[in-house]
Amino acid sequence: EAGVAQSPRYKIIEKRQSVAFWCNPISGHATLYWYQQILGQGPKLLIQFQNNGVVDDSQLPKDRFSAERLKGVDSTLKIQPAKLEDSAVYLCASSLVTGEQFFGPGTRLTVL
Amino acid sequence: AQKVTQAQTEISVVEKEDVTLDCVYETRDTTYYLFWYKQPPSGELVFLIRRNSFDEQNEISGRYSWNFQKSTSSFNFTITASQVVDSAVYFCALSLDSNYQLIWGAGTKLIIKP
Repeated sequence: EAGVAQSPRYKIIEKRQSVAFWCNPISGHATLYWYQQILGQGPKLLIQFQNNGVVDDSQLPKDRFSAERLKGVDSTLKIQPAKLEDSAVYLCASSLVTGEQFFGPGTRLTVL
Repeated sequence: AQKVTQAQTEISVVEKEDVTLDCVYETRDTTYYLFWYKQPPSGELVFLIRRNSFDEQNEISGRYSWNFQKSTSSFNFTITASQVVDSAVYFCALSLDSNYQLIWGAGTKLIIKP
């Protein structure tokens, strides 16, 4: 069974530029999560989808971050415009509704 | 409020030693789930175990074992005969029956020296 796929693996941008990350969850997993992980810290939940509906986006900085999950499968997370403090690893995870979360390899974002 | 505490920031041991990573959680819910994840230097979070609040049996999987004690709100993780490949950051997490979101501990960095 294929795991959670994410791309790109690495991205370097200048501040104020835009960037987008893509995630393809494990087949059949209804729930998809985006996390931000700053070096030395645990993951911080940004947004949780169930199918194509948003369950929780309370910690998503909506002035610059947006996410969508069209058709309840793939998802994209966008940052526009990026700030220096957005430098982090962005992790995507998926789960069955009640199950454990499985994580992708992450995208390491560096904002210069 | 829910919380997970991993008091050990970093542990360093010599290969073949046994090592225990501590995890203490707080919740008033009676139904909850506890998890351990491993994050090696490559960065990908790897699921290790999920335990529900009604199952206090200890679990053993090869060199890994977990001790769940509701009386002390702890879910500790022991690696027996540690190996260099066990070097990683280990996270303990808690989720509730209401939304299944993970509440993460700060992680323990484990260094296994050859």
